[in-house]
Amino acid sequence: EAQVTQNPRYLITVTGKKLTVTCSQNMNHEYMSWYRQDPGLGLRQIYYSMNVEVTDKGDVPEGYKVSRKEKRNFPLILESPSPNQTSLYFCASSEAGLGPEAFFGQGTRLTVV
Amino acid sequence: GDSVTQMEGPVTLSEEAFLTINCTYTATGYPSLFWYVQYPGEGLQLLLKATKADDKGSNKGFEATYRKETTSFHLEKGSVQVSDSAVYFCALRPRGGSYIPTFGRGTSLIVHP
Repeated sequence: EAQVTQNPRYLITVTGKKLTVTCSQNMNHEYMSWYRQDPGLGLRQIYYSMNVEVTDKGDVPEGYKVSRKEKRNFPLILESPSPNQTSLYFCASSEAGLGPEAFFGQGTRLTVV
Repeated sequence: GDSVTQMEGPVTLSEEAFLTINCTYTATGYPSLFWYVQYPGEGLQLLLKATKADDKGSNKGFEATYRKETTSFHLEKGSVQVSDSAVYFCALRPRGGSYIPTFGRGTSLIVHP
């Protein structure tokens, strides 16, 4: 079954404690991206990757890092989380980068206290 | 910058009623346009898309037509069902520049039996 898998689904952490949210896709997609969803703001893109070792900033990259060492994985790293990063995060993938985001993960609800 | 404006919800309808969710956009050039649906607790699913003026995207009884003259991409369905209750997002991806998608804030649809 084609899918994008995020882990964990829920996470509560404290300010400043580094964390990683993993994302994996089984469709051999070149393009992957991360979004955050906040009430009343829709989705905003954090980072995207057009292929292995190719990443670039989205609209709201501050406070986040990503890496793309393998085609299937695209982890999101928060080196020093802050309360304003409390949000619902989605990973997405598609075959190529210029069409729609075709597949989304189920989301990771992060709370930073 | 680019922007997507959706009608505010919630939109509340009875089963079998006609649905319209308005979406207008501001973008440089001719972006690709998309509608996504998000069911409770899940990630977004691509519902339909249109890549050029006068294109009509359709899927599962939903339709939307790319209107360049009015910069609109309204979502319609002739007869809604209770199972259509969800949040609907309009989005665009520019053809040049950053290629970063812009999402609307989402419109909640509630369909009563």
